Amino acid sequence: AQTVTQSQPEMSVQEAETVTLSCTYDTSESNYYLFWYKQPPSRQMILVIRQEAYKQQNATENRFSVNFQKAAKSFSLKISDSQLGDTAMYFCALMYSGGGADGLTFGKGTHLIIQP
Amino acid sequence: EAQVTQNPRYLITVTGKKLTVTCSQNMNHEYMSWYRQDPGLGLRQIYYSMNVEVTDKGDVPEGYKVSRKEKRNFPLILESPSPNQTSLYFCASSSTGNYGYTFGSGTRLTVV
Repeated sequence: AQTVTQSQPEMSVQEAETVTLSCTYDTSESNYYLFWYKQPPSRQMILVIRQEAYKQQNATENRFSVNFQKAAKSFSLKISDSQLGDTAMYFCALMYSGGGADGLTFGKGTHLIIQP
Repeated sequence: EAQVTQNPRYLITVTGKKLTVTCSQNMNHEYMSWYRQDPGLGLRQIYYSMNVEVTDKGDVPEGYKVSRKEKRNFPLILESPSPNQTSLYFCASSSTGNYGYTFGSGTRLTVV
């Protein structure tokens, strides 16, 4: 069985700072996908970024980037130039290849607070 | 607009009164899942479905039922709700394209 661990229940940074959220995982599969989802107070689950395990290049989406270390089974999210709208719960998730027929495995989440 | 629609968004019910939370997607996705979200526990999978008439248990299936009679619909049934099923529930769907899951807006269920 796969597991996803987020060791930071809550983080707080000042607006415009850079923040890194940690995620480690465990799986016996060699081909899988990793995701970061954002859940603002509206509670909607929003996909932030996606990483394919067989790609060594780290994914980036505007101010969001990941540091994917496959051997260490680590998948951290870096948010640059943080904004007040980045305040949210962030969930790291793992999905097997083939579309994830059996769904996603989530970490327990990190509550990120951006202070003005 | 491509979306997953859950209803209702909020529901307060009494212990033992059967209820159904509906979920529908308009993206022709093969895979659908139900999750519950509880503080400090993240999202945990209840049931999932790989296609019509194909469902299987997730990590926390006790007290829940599902059905997948049509590709677009995947209702969650609580036949005898109990207070420990008070939670935030999400339905999600995915294709075989490995792009991740699209989530519904969530259903806040309170069982008293």
